[in-house]
Amino acid sequence: QQQVRQSPQSLTVWEGETAILNCSYEDSTFDYFPWYHQFPGESPALLIAIRPVSNKKEDGRFTIFFNKREKKFSLHIADSQPGDSATYFCAVMSNYNVLYFGSGTKLTVEP
Amino acid sequence: DTTVKQNPRYKLARVGKPVNLICSQTMNHDTMYWYQKKPNQAPKLLLFYYDKILNREADTFEKFQSSRPNNSFCSLYIGSAGLEYSAMYLCASSREGASAETLYFGSGTRLTVL
Repeated sequence: QQQVRQSPQSLTVWEGETAILNCSYEDSTFDYFPWYHQFPGESPALLIAIRPVSNKKEDGRFTIFFNKREKKFSLHIADSQPGDSATYFCAVMSNYNVLYFGSGTKLTVEP
Repeated sequence: DTTVKQNPRYKLARVGKPVNLICSQTMNHDTMYWYQKKPNQAPKLLLFYYDKILNREADTFEKFQSSRPNNSFCSLYIGSAGLEYSAMYLCASSREGASAETLYFGSGTRLTVL
């Protein structure tokens, strides 16, 4: 069921730096690519998402870059803050709105 | 209210015994999902209901059962728990329409099988 691969498993950056999280997939029929974040003790929640008609989606400090040809997409968190420390999951969506998740990246932002 | 509720928060079970986990949502969502999450692994889709139609993933087909007696409620049933079932079980729901892709997750049930 490994529809999407995610790296790195963990990432530590300093406050103010840009964190970059990566994902890749195989099935070209996927048409929706979200990122979820999960804070300790909380449920995963949607952060930002992109469709293949675009190669970039921005929402404040969060940007998805999408490369359809290489079947890769990444999440860039600009000006990282300690409050961004969480586990981030990329995902791909198939038919019936079924999401398959990556294994997660635990991000730590050091002040 | 975008709340998905799961009960219980923690569950202890013995090997070979059945386990029943419960999920509810009051958002009138069409689809409800169950995911299994183990440490350092991806949340793994087990099954989902679209309305009254149950869809189970091929690799977990025989291990998990589910029921959805009404739109708001969905259960996950393990007939005979094994040690490998120890995990966090996440329920989620989504609706049709413009925001169909967004899944709303519950806080999870942590199952420990001894």
